[in-house]
Amino acid sequence: AQSVTQPDIHITVSEGASLELRCNYSYGATPYLFWYVQSPGQGLQLLLKYFSGDTLVQGIKGFEAEFKRSQSSFNLRKPSVHWSDAAEYFCAVGARETSGSRLTFGEGTQLTVNP
Amino acid sequence: EPEVTQTPSHQVTQMGQEVILRCVPISNHLYFYWYRQILGQKVEFLVSFYNNEISEKSEIFDDQFSVERPDGSNFTLKIRSTKLEDSAMYFCASSGQGANSPLHFGNGTRLTVT
Repeated sequence: AQSVTQPDIHITVSEGASLELRCNYSYGATPYLFWYVQSPGQGLQLLLKYFSGDTLVQGIKGFEAEFKRSQSSFNLRKPSVHWSDAAEYFCAVGARETSGSRLTFGEGTQLTVNP
Repeated sequence: EPEVTQTPSHQVTQMGQEVILRCVPISNHLYFYWYRQILGQKVEFLVSFYNNEISEKSEIFDDQFSVERPDGSNFTLKIRSTKLEDSAMYFCASSGQGANSPLHFGNGTRLTVT
């Protein structure tokens, strides 16, 4: 069974500082990996996804993530955080075998940005 | 950009009542899903739906839950007899063909059972 762990429940950074949110997954083969962001009262917005190819993927809003198979990780990064990035971030893993397969989400990391 | 829409945004119901949560997926998508998020907890998969039938469901999706695509655009989740523990945010999602087609989520319906 697939699983996702986000070790950091809450992270606080200063505006302009760099950010790295950790994600570790467990899956029997090469997974599909996703990062979603959820602002208060909003739905889940896709930031970026990894399916195959280049292990460094670029997403929206200046985010990127790197797939490291040896570490079973897919950490999200941003070089300079903006106050509007304050939100909850979810890492998710999906199976490759079938279309329409379920996503398994991590517990989420709440990001607070200090001015 | 096309989006998934959900109505209502917030629903309050009494324990034991039936509720129907409604969703309009992206029009050319083929796979439809319901997820839920109990306050403070992770997002959990409930069910996926394809070609007018359930393709996968979780252990959460018991007999009190059902899904339906009553017409060409709507996708509904019915909870037959609500319990207090059904209080959560319910997210509808849809995706296109192919296992690598990402899910697009709606803004959710907050269900409060009193």
